[in-house]
This record gives sequence, structure tokens and C-alpha cells, in this order.
Amino acid sequence: GNSVTQMEGPVTLSEEAFLTINCTYTATGYPSLFWYVQYPGEGLQLLLKATKADDKGSNKGFEATYRKETTSFHLEKGSVQVSDSAVYFCALPRRTGSYQLTFGKGTKLSVIP
Amino acid sequence: EAGVAQSPRYKIIEKRQSVAFWCNPISGHATLYWYQQILGQGPKLLIQFQNNGVVDDSQLPKDRFSAERLKGVDSTLKIQPAKLEDSAVYLCASSPQGPNTGELFFGEGSRLTVL
Repeated sequence: GNSVTQMEGPVTLSEEAFLTINCTYTATGYPSLFWYVQYPGEGLQLLLKATKADDKGSNKGFEATYRKETTSFHLEKGSVQVSDSAVYFCALPRRTGSYQLTFGKGTKLSVIP
Repeated sequence: EAGVAQSPRYKIIEKRQSVAFWCNPISGHATLYWYQQILGQGPKLLIQFQNNGVVDDSQLPKDRFSAERLKGVDSTLKIQPAKLEDSAVYLCASSPQGPNTGELFFGEGSRLTVL
């Protein structure tokens, strides 16, 4: 089945710093790719997604580009805020045509003032 | 719109005891998932329901775990008997039927500690 490898954490940044969280995938075909976020005390929620190669997903100042050449979907934000402190998960369907998602291990981000 | 509801939020039991978790998905969502999230790992799918039928339970340890979704709405996940390695957060998620964007809507989870 498909799988993702996600950058190990935790990551600690100062407010307004640039963020990159790496995610690479192994998949049959070109499945949709997702970033989910889990804020403290809350459930996972979809942050952004990309459905085909070269697509850029974006939301709340975060961006990720679906790059088939490098099989990557890195998450970036130009200027993080304290409120971005959360755990971020890269995900994709377990199998082509499925919407059962398989998740990376998660990267915990802490942003300090 | 109400989100996915789960209970209890926390449960502590001794090994070999039993426990049950309940999930109420978003109204109208036909697909329901149970995931297990062990500390430091990503969520792992246990079982998927479509309405009240099981679509995939290949990763459910059926010797101790069971799940049902009566009437295609609420679902219950049961563990009996529990083992130490079952300590985890159990996440319920739902998604609507029809053209699927792939977005799952998660509850806050039920944290299980097995002593």
C-alpha cells in the first residue's frame, strides 16, 4: 500500500520564523495528498490538500506543492504564529481509489513568542 | 453544524478488563472510521463502515476488538480483554457519501490507559 515518511519533530520556532515540515510519499499512481493539523485538545482537521501533480494546496498561510519528481509534499509557512502550535500530519490514501487515509507519524510544532 | 462526538474522553482500566467507546458522526455522513493513535505515531485505521456495513476491518485485531454501527448512525468500538499495548487514543472520523474530496472529520478522541 501507499505510505508517507514525515520529518521527525519536535520543531520549535520563534514567532515570525519560516516553517518547513518535510513529507515524502511512496504510492502507486498519483493519489491526492493531505496535511492534517491537530491543535491541543482538539481532533484532527484538514489543513490543505492537493489532488494532482504540481497542484498547490493552501490554507491559513500554509502551502504545500505536490511534486511527483521528488515524491514530496512539504508543508511551508512564511511567518508562523504562536497559534500555529500544533501537531501536523501528512496523509494519503492507503490504496489508489481509496479514501482510507494513512498518516505520517506527525510533527509537533511549538512557536514561542 | 455539530461535529463528531465521542465518549468517554478518558478511560483508565486494568489489563484484561473491557472497555467501550462510542461515536456519533456528523449528521448525514455515511462513512465512519475508527483509528487508533498510539503516542508518538500517526493514526492507524482499524475499521471502516459504509452506512451500517463493514467495508474494511482487515487491520482490526478481531480476537479482542469489535465494532458495530447499528442503524448506520452511531458506532461502538469495544476492547475485551484489554492489553497494555492497547493504550492509545481512539479516534472516530466520518465523511459524507457521494463524490468524496477525501476529507475526514474527526472527533476529539477517547484516550485509553491500560494499567
